[in-house]
Amino acid sequence: AQSVTQLGSHVSVSEGALVLLRCNYSSSVPPYLFWYVQYPNQGLQLLLKYTSAATLVKGINGFEAEFKKSETSFHLTKPSAHMRDAAEYFCAVSDENDTGGFKTIFGAGTRLFVKA
Amino acid sequence: NAGVTQTPKFRVLKTGQSMTLLCAQDMNHEYMYWYRQDPGMGLRLIHYSVGEGTTAKGEVPDGYNVSRLKKQNFLLGLESAAPSQTSVYFCASSLEGTLTEAFFGQGTRLTVV
Repeated sequence: AQSVTQLGSHVSVSEGALVLLRCNYSSSVPPYLFWYVQYPNQGLQLLLKYTSAATLVKGINGFEAEFKKSETSFHLTKPSAHMRDAAEYFCAVSDENDTGGFKTIFGAGTRLFVKA
Repeated sequence: NAGVTQTPKFRVLKTGQSMTLLCAQDMNHEYMYWYRQDPGMGLRLIHYSVGEGTTAKGEVPDGYNVSRLKKQNFLLGLESAAPSQTSVYFCASSLEGTLTEAFFGQGTRLTVV
């Protein structure tokens, strides 16, 4: 079964600074990878997804992620943090289930704090 | 444009009580999921369904049952609630299981005392 590891349960950056949230996956086959964001008291929203079309994936709100097969990583970045980016971010991977379909497995999440 | 709707939003149960959480989606999605979210553990898949009339176990299925009698609804049942089931529960749906995004409900905060 696939798994996702997010390094750092909390990340704090200053407004305007680079945001880097780390995600590593375990997979022996090309994975389907996602980043979701959760704002307080809300459900999760999709930020971006990797579909094997391009290794650099651009998402909403200025976020992007780069798929690096050699490092089994899919780190999320944003050049300049904004106060509204403060939220919890989840990396996720699609894993094959017992009947040949797929289900989504989430990492533990990284809470991003943005300081003024 | 409702998307995914969960009811109720909050609930307090006594140990041993039963309850059902309802999830409804109006996007004609085939896949539906129930997750629980606990601090430091991310979202863990409880059960999921790949279509009407089907259900399958996820990572943490014990103590829960589900039913998908209609395509748009996915019910999560707790037969005998335990304090360990105190959590925030999220329902999600997706058109299919792989490349399509999952749409989430707002969550149900359940406390078992």
